[in-house]
Amino acid sequence: SQQGEEDPQALSIQEGENATMNCSYKTSINNLQWYRQNSGRGLVHLILIRSNEREKHSGRLRVTLDTSKKSSSLLITASRAADTASYFCATAPPGGGNKLTFGTGTQLKVEL
Amino acid sequence: EAGVAQSPRYKIIEKRQSVAFWCNPISGHATLYWYQQILGQGPKLLIQFQNNGVVDDSQLPKDRFSAERLKGVDSTLKIQPAKLEDSAVYLCASSRDWASGNTIYFGEGSWLTVV
Repeated sequence: SQQGEEDPQALSIQEGENATMNCSYKTSINNLQWYRQNSGRGLVHLILIRSNEREKHSGRLRVTLDTSKKSSSLLITASRAADTASYFCATAPPGGGNKLTFGTGTQLKVEL
Repeated sequence: EAGVAQSPRYKIIEKRQSVAFWCNPISGHATLYWYQQILGQGPKLLIQFQNNGVVDDSQLPKDRFSAERLKGVDSTLKIQPAKLEDSAVYLCASSRDWASGNTIYFGEGSWLTVV
């Protein structure tokens, strides 16, 4: 079963704009991770935020986590055509080891 | 560092036939995962190994799916007999350890079409 749901399902922006995608989940978590998947390829880990953290940055990526609302957002600043991909959030349960449950994904298209 | 290797990349079989996928994780990674990703959905964990032992196989359809990691290194996922709904990408992944927060590295996937 899917733990998270991403919103929007699809997003199309112009190069240089910022892209924001949201993830909602249902149960308690140890951490939440974001992954990128280029068409026809495997997933690539982007960033991890722990349940006691509220915000994290990595390069052009900014992730926020609101455990009271069971939601997270991923912001990609100054987007590039190479950012075109599907983005998935994944949650790890408390005490559950590294068993990730993935959301449904957001398809991002960055146009020149 | 070599990534997670999977083969074959693509496979087309008829329903009720069998298929096997192979995975070689990153060297030194104790934990290996098999995920199923149906088109348009996020990956779903099928089975998780720690060395050669099964940590979690709660979502593995055991009547038709089996997986093994006999020597604690590479792994094979088998489907027999295949159904149309098994058409998906089968992603193998690995991490250093099964503790939460260890980065999981994915292979490119094995694409299965059942006709």
